[in-house]
Amino acid sequence: KNQVEQSPQSLIILEGKNCTLQCNYTVSPFSNLRWYKQDTGRGPVSLTIMTFSENTKSNGRYTATLDADTKQSSLHITASQLSDSASYICVVRGPGGYQKVTFGTGTKLQVIP
Amino acid sequence: GAGVSQTPSNKVTEKGKYVELRCDPISGHTALYWYRQSLGQGPEFLIYFQGTGAADDSGLPNDRFFAVRPEGSVSTLKIQRTERGDSAVYLCASSLAEQSYNEQFFGPGTRLTVL
Repeated sequence: KNQVEQSPQSLIILEGKNCTLQCNYTVSPFSNLRWYKQDTGRGPVSLTIMTFSENTKSNGRYTATLDADTKQSSLHITASQLSDSASYICVVRGPGGYQKVTFGTGTKLQVIP
Repeated sequence: GAGVSQTPSNKVTEKGKYVELRCDPISGHTALYWYRQSLGQGPEFLIYFQGTGAADDSGLPNDRFFAVRPEGSVSTLKIQRTERGDSAVYLCASSLAEQSYNEQFFGPGTRLTVL
């Protein structure tokens, strides 16, 4: 069964600090992996997408890494801001036309002043 | 509007009642998805539409759940004889076409509470 596991479940950090969120998956075959940010009461919004051949991709203060051999991804947030407080969801998809996505359960990040 | 919209934003109903949840996708998006998200969990797939047809409804938990998209745009998720376990946030997403690389754009969700 395709699975996506994320760690930690929740995290509290001080404003200005860095943090790294982890995503391990068993989805196979693999096409791409997205990190979404979901603010409370809102739908998820895509931060980055990574394909099999990509190792690192940045979007502002967010940097995602992917190791397709070990089926692991991470999302690193630099110089955190209060507005980074949200749930971060890792989503993995297979190739081809229609494929259901497999969602992780998310990491709930709280940035405190 | 530029994004996916969902109405109502909140719905409180009594056990046994019928509810309809509406999704307005981004104009021109042919693929539409419904998900259910419980507190502290990731979205759980319910049903996928390509155009007017339900291409995959394997995520619907039982026959109390039904969804339509009659004109290939707006979709309605219908829940009959609601149960307390149906309480969750129901998310709708749309994408330009069903290609694995295409981003799904999510609406804000409808929070359903069954008393």
